Amino acid sequence: EAGVAQSPRYKIIEKRQSVAFWCNPISGHATLYWYQQILGQGPKLLIQFQNNGVVDDSQLPKDRFSAERLKGVDSTLKIQPAKLEDSAVYLCAVTGLAGPPSYNEQFFGPGTRLTVL
Amino acid sequence: GIQVEQSPPDLILQEGANSTLRCNFSDSVNNLQWFHQNPWGQLINLFYIPSGTKQNGRLSATTVATERYSLLYISSSQTTDSGVYFCAVGALRFGAGTRLTVKP
Repeated sequence: EAGVAQSPRYKIIEKRQSVAFWCNPISGHATLYWYQQILGQGPKLLIQFQNNGVVDDSQLPKDRFSAERLKGVDSTLKIQPAKLEDSAVYLCAVTGLAGPPSYNEQFFGPGTRLTVL
Repeated sequence: GIQVEQSPPDLILQEGANSTLRCNFSDSVNNLQWFHQNPWGQLINLFYIPSGTKQNGRLSATTVATERYSLLYISSSQTTDSGVYFCAVGALRFGAGTRLTVKP
């Protein structure tokens, strides 16, 4: 989707290794989200940022996952150490790309497909 | 938290047929979106529709917020409509999706 870039697009690692994902949205929005989508399921919210602050991280496995948002624009999601069950697509989304009254409309990046062996 | 249920889970259509996908949610919301996830995994916005009715070409959607459901209508389906359709509500809780297959 235009406006949200993610990298890398694919990543294969072995269990217990570390991995990082990047989300690079265009500027001019306030809210950024990371989702995990396991094959055959709907996306699950991991963390929501409002500017630089965390609004909701209740479903983030904090013993191994961490995320930060830099200067209210770019964001990184890290897994350390990875487990087999972390194999999934990691999606970044933002709101604020559409004008009112659709300011809360979410737009997604293409995702990063992670395979943990 | 809010529960989101989509039906049917799977739908197979012949090209040219019409279909209706349903999304029920357990609490009042001020935010509801329909997405199409294409075979490459990209989530594509279809409608931002917390209430009311919208139409875009062969697709239309209606949300009745007071009764906690939303409907997505696809008319004259095409093979390119195949994929998974998701409803997401509130702080973006997603349903499990409806997998649509349109056969030529």
